Amino acid sequence: ETGVTQTPRHLVMGMTNKKSLKCEQHLGHNAMYWYKQSAKKPLELMFVYNFKEQTENNSVPSRFSPECPNSSHLFLHLHTLQPEDSALYLCASSQVSGGFEDTQYFGPGTRLTVL
Amino acid sequence: QKEVEQNSGPLSVPEGAIASLNCTYSDRGSQSFFWYRQYSGKSPELIMSIYSNGDKEDGRFTAQLNKASQYVSLLIRDSQPSDSATYLCAVKSGAGSYQLTFGKGTKLSVIP
Repeated sequence: ETGVTQTPRHLVMGMTNKKSLKCEQHLGHNAMYWYKQSAKKPLELMFVYNFKEQTENNSVPSRFSPECPNSSHLFLHLHTLQPEDSALYLCASSQVSGGFEDTQYFGPGTRLTVL
Repeated sequence: QKEVEQNSGPLSVPEGAIASLNCTYSDRGSQSFFWYRQYSGKSPELIMSIYSNGDKEDGRFTAQLNKASQYVSLLIRDSQPSDSATYLCAVKSGAGSYQLTFGKGTKLSVIP
């Protein structure tokens, strides 16, 4: 699936580094999402943007800072992370129309390791 | 707290058999239900979506929904080794809701 792309695919960073994850969707969708997937835990929704406006922030620590400059691009800025933040970070997009049938499509993910 | 429960498995079935994956959810107001397949090291890929009670078939896959029992299942007929993956059940509440609640997934192994 090339409709949602993410870079980088792998990232290793120290606890004092600052880095950014990038997501781009080519599906013409109006909503974008950041998820965190850790081993043995369900996918956790972190942030939702609809028409560039943040609509949900599920109690995510401030060391994660999202940015959505337009409906096709989404960033996740990382700073002073902890080793427990090591996980697969997934971006998704969907077309939200107010009905039941908006389906989320996922990008390939960024495997993040915090040393 | 909205919850989605799945048997973590692993579920092992022989090649050619029917694999049955089950999911229960706690939010009675849930309206949309999705099955995703996730290969090891890859991202989730949509397999099926279902919104109404009953069965929905797509090729070898059949999704079944029973809202009264708060239960959704996925049947895979003629299972192939390439079906070996983790299957994630996801549930969305209400029209216009953004929140997808995922289960932990069931790992399926299809034995040649």
